[in-house]
Amino acid sequence: DAGVTQSPTHLIKTRGQQVTLRCSPKSGHDTVSWYQQALGQGPQFIFQYYEEEERQRGNFPDRFSGHQFPNYSSELNVNALLLGDSALYLCASSLRAGGYGYTFGSGTRLTVV
Amino acid sequence: DAKTTQPPSMDCAEGRAANLPCNHSTISGNEYVYWYRQIHSQGPQYIIHGLKNNETNEMASLIITEDRKSSTLILPHATLRDTAVYYCIVSPRGYNTDKLIFGTGTRLQVFP
Repeated sequence: DAGVTQSPTHLIKTRGQQVTLRCSPKSGHDTVSWYQQALGQGPQFIFQYYEEEERQRGNFPDRFSGHQFPNYSSELNVNALLLGDSALYLCASSLRAGGYGYTFGSGTRLTVV
Repeated sequence: DAKTTQPPSMDCAEGRAANLPCNHSTISGNEYVYWYRQIHSQGPQYIIHGLKNNETNEMASLIITEDRKSSTLILPHATLRDTAVYYCIVSPRGYNTDKLIFGTGTRLQVFP
């Protein structure tokens, strides 16, 4: 049973550019959440998608946006990249109606230069 | 901000029990205690959760004090592969809808 798959694993972008990160949730899961983890810190919640709509949002600017597709996969888009956006971006999936715990992917390491 | 307090680091000898404490003195009656761990270069992994009773699964045991203001995660026979950052999180039924608020966790180093 495949877990959460994220792509790409590593990415280098230039300040001001835009980036799209992708996530395929664990089979059977319908909810996708995104987290940002700076070096040496715990993950910080960005937003959560369910039924193709953003359901919750953390304290992140509008430069961070997302999308969920009918097959439950999701994208995270970041516009006008800043050096401070360099981090590990984690996708977590869950089943809204039941189950325990989130399943996390291994993340996408984004470096902004 | 995270609602939990954990020691920044701990050491444990391989084969011995690792006891990781967590303080959550402001926990509400409907909030669960969750534990996740993050091995280097991987995403966090769910370990265990509980409300007020002690819980055990194949990975670990969770001991919650009677007043629910603190808890301890126990890895009964630590191995080198248990070296990771362990996060204690309080969440109202966070398994399906609620965001997880991570602190900085406890870095557990298991040595031979």
